[in-house]
Amino acid sequence: GENVEQHPSTLSVQEGDSAVIKCTYSDSASNYFPWYKQELGKGPQLIIDIRSNVGEKKDQRIAVTLNKTAKHFSLHITETQPEDSAVYFCAASRDGGSQGNLIFGKGTKLSVKP
Amino acid sequence: KAGVTQTPRYLIKTRGQQVTLSCSPISGHRSVSWYQQTPGQGLQFLFEYFSETQRNKGNFPGRFSGRQFSNSRSEMNVSTLELGDSALYLCASSLEVGTDTQYFGPGTRLTVL
Repeated sequence: GENVEQHPSTLSVQEGDSAVIKCTYSDSASNYFPWYKQELGKGPQLIIDIRSNVGEKKDQRIAVTLNKTAKHFSLHITETQPEDSAVYFCAASRDGGSQGNLIFGKGTKLSVKP
Repeated sequence: KAGVTQTPRYLIKTRGQQVTLSCSPISGHRSVSWYQQTPGQGLQFLFEYFSETQRNKGNFPGRFSGRQFSNSRSEMNVSTLELGDSALYLCASSLEVGTDTQYFGPGTRLTVL
């Protein structure tokens, strides 16, 4: 089955710097890759997602890139702010009707220091 | 539009008991998935329901079960609770099955003593 590896497990940056989180997946049939942000005491919140027919997607300070050949995708956060501090999860899944369950990485705890 | 709601938010049970958790999806969403989140195992898929039918199931024992009602609301049940069942149980809804975007609720924190 699908396996998603996420690195690093913790990341500390200064406010204003960029943060990059990387994930690799094993199932070449996976075609949907969302990123979630989870704050303490809350459920995961979707921040951006990308499908396999696109190589890059950007939404303000957040961007995601996908390399299907290498089977890895990355989250880029620019001009980080203290409110970006949270745990970030990458996930992968594939079409196929009953194959829609998300396989998550172990998460990255991002700390943005003012 | 209201988000995914889960009740109760917190629950304390003892070993051997059973528990039922409830999830109301976003209005118009017909697919509901359940996930278990623990510090050791992370987020793990439990099952997915669409049109009152279980479409997909994760690798969990039969003590974990669920159902979906005609209004798309879903419940999950855990019987004969074990200490290791202590976790945050998350419900996510999406418009359809497959790779539609999933939106998560706040979760139910279950503690088994």
